[in-house]
Amino acid sequence: AQSVTQLGSHVSVSEGALVLLRCNYSSSVPPYLFWYVQYPNQGLQLLLKYTTGATLVKGINGFEAEFKKSETSFHLTKPSAHMSDAAEYFCAVSDRDGNQFYFGTGTSLTVIP
Amino acid sequence: GEEVAQTPKHLVRGEGQKAKLYCAPIKGHSYVFWYQQVLKNEFKFLISFQNENVFDETGMPKERFSAKCLPNSPCSLEIQATKLEDSAVYFCASSQSLVSYGYTFGSGTRLTVV
Repeated sequence: AQSVTQLGSHVSVSEGALVLLRCNYSSSVPPYLFWYVQYPNQGLQLLLKYTTGATLVKGINGFEAEFKKSETSFHLTKPSAHMSDAAEYFCAVSDRDGNQFYFGTGTSLTVIP
Repeated sequence: GEEVAQTPKHLVRGEGQKAKLYCAPIKGHSYVFWYQQVLKNEFKFLISFQNENVFDETGMPKERFSAKCLPNSPCSLEIQATKLEDSAVYFCASSQSLVSYGYTFGSGTRLTVV
């Protein structure tokens, strides 16, 4: 089974500052990689995904992530944080057969005015 | 529609009662998945369907949990004789295919067993 590690269960940034949320996976074969965002009392919304091709992936709301095979990482970034970015962020991976997703334990992002 | 519709949003059951949750996947999506979020940050896979057929049920506690996806009906997840530890948010997700698309999640059903 896959495992996903999100370093930092809580991250605080100032409004306008860089957002960096870390995600590492364990797999000898590169899986499919995803970032989801969960706002309070809501479901999971897909931010972006990497399957094949370009390793820098752009998603919604100005987020992007880079797949680095050598580091088994898929860190999420946004150049300038907005108050509306405050939420829980989950990194997820799936095997190439895509049947199950394995979620990280999430990172709670706080944006300070 | 373009969203996965889950009903009800909240469900309260006394211990030992039955709970039934519903999920309408996005039209055209062949796969449906159920996940249980027990603690805030812990997702557990329960079961997946390909159309009306069970695809993977390795996560289902078979004694009390059952699920169905019948043609022309919302999918359902049923818990017989609920226990306190069944309290969780249950998420349904659907996908066009297994490979690479990512899931579209519903907003979840919060089940509270008292």
